[in-house]
Amino acid sequence: GAVVSQHPSRVICKSGTSVKIECRSLDFQATTMFWYRQFPKQSLMLMATSNEGSKATYEQGVEKDKFLINHASLTLSTLTVTSAHPEDSSFYICSASRQVNQPQHFGDGTRLSIL
Amino acid sequence: SQELEQSPQSLIVQEGKNLTINCTSSKTLYGLYWYKQKYGEGLIFLMMLQKGGEEKSHEKITAKLDEKKQQSSLHITASQPSHAGIYLCGAESKAAGNKLTFGGGTRVLVKP
Repeated sequence: GAVVSQHPSRVICKSGTSVKIECRSLDFQATTMFWYRQFPKQSLMLMATSNEGSKATYEQGVEKDKFLINHASLTLSTLTVTSAHPEDSSFYICSASRQVNQPQHFGDGTRLSIL
Repeated sequence: SQELEQSPQSLIVQEGKNLTINCTSSKTLYGLYWYKQKYGEGLIFLMMLQKGGEEKSHEKITAKLDEKKQQSSLHITASQPSHAGIYLCGAESKAAGNKLTFGGGTRVLVKP
């Protein structure tokens, strides 16, 4: 069964709206979670590393004020797309691993469509 | 930064035929992961390879990592329609914990 749960699976909203996406590890604690973005017919691009109890580490070119990450507990990380615009429309997906040197497990992704 | 190149970008095979996907790294791989993705869905973990020369199999899928740890291949024997999807290789960065960098993906279609 799934070990990482992501919610919601699909969001359609108006431009200017902020959208929150949740990523939960279901049966293990994850001090680190990862957020990726995937454009149509392209591979996954790492956006940021979510660290429990501390600030997220963002990849080069990713706006931290645009994509707010909160990792308040060992089983939950959230990604908030603030004041979303059509160019933010994409497939967002999170992952977590039980421990280092173990494979990452991915959520089912969230398809975000900004009108 | 680590770069992964996958080939081919897409592949159409007749059901029952074998297929191979390659993943080449610009740097020595610390850990190499293979995942499968169906369109619009999450990634399903297939294999993890860490040692040079390592080979792992699960059902009809075999993954190998070369001795120099810069190239990996994924081989599917007697392909079935259920093998259709996007296959992604991911490289783990030792310097950054579990952070993965992905190749461009290989889109596989199996014709019945």
